[in-house]
Amino acid sequence: QVQLLQSGTEVKKPGASVKVSCRASGFTFTRYTFSWVRQAPGEGLEWMGWISGYNGNTRYAQKFQGRVTMTTDTSTRTAYMELRSLRSDDTAVYYCARVAVTDFYFEYWGQGTLVTVSS
Amino acid sequence: EIVLTQSPGTLSLSPGERGTLSCRASQSVSSNLAWYQQKPGQAPRLLIYGASTRAPGIPDRFSGSGSGTDFTLTISRLEPEDFAVYSCQQYGPSLSFGGGTKVDIK
Repeated sequence: QVQLLQSGTEVKKPGASVKVSCRASGFTFTRYTFSWVRQAPGEGLEWMGWISGYNGNTRYAQKFQGRVTMTTDTSTRTAYMELRSLRSDDTAVYYCARVAVTDFYFEYWGQGTLVTVSS
Repeated sequence: EIVLTQSPGTLSLSPGERGTLSCRASQSVSSNLAWYQQKPGQAPRLLIYGASTRAPGIPDRFSGSGSGTDFTLTISRLEPEDFAVYSCQQYGPSLSFGGGTKVDIK
């Protein structure tokens, strides 16, 4: 069955970077696009960007451009999201999600990774 | 950027009642709208895409309607497991989420 397994909880200091991983199983990795979505405590969902599992092409939400990098490793079927220059308002649960083939909605989600930014 | 406004913020209902949730877009997104359900401590779960198509395994008590700027998610008869937060997401032309509607027990 389709699974997206994310890395564990992270605690970072302001100004640091974090890299979250999302390991896929149960489907052909290179046929799909992956997105990252975050959710601050008590807040709604916020789309961060997407990356093609086929060719690594990316598109980032304007808010995160210059601060986020999304990559993939097809040999391990893993997508990564790195966020730099962390601030306290980056504290959130970060989700990876598999994008549907036909349109940009999210069929499957990882379990989420809590990133806490605190001095 | 297209802004999605969901209403009400909280909907208090009893099991067996009908729930009607609204999602309004700041400009037309055609039928490029999805709905998700999220329970505390869990990832979102896709319910509806294309404004009205149920995702695989979603019970038929969930239905979506609308196009352009006004969309509705209807839960015909609330089951105990349906009390959750519901979010809409548009994917035409860009990508954004609404702020969510919490459906809680009256």
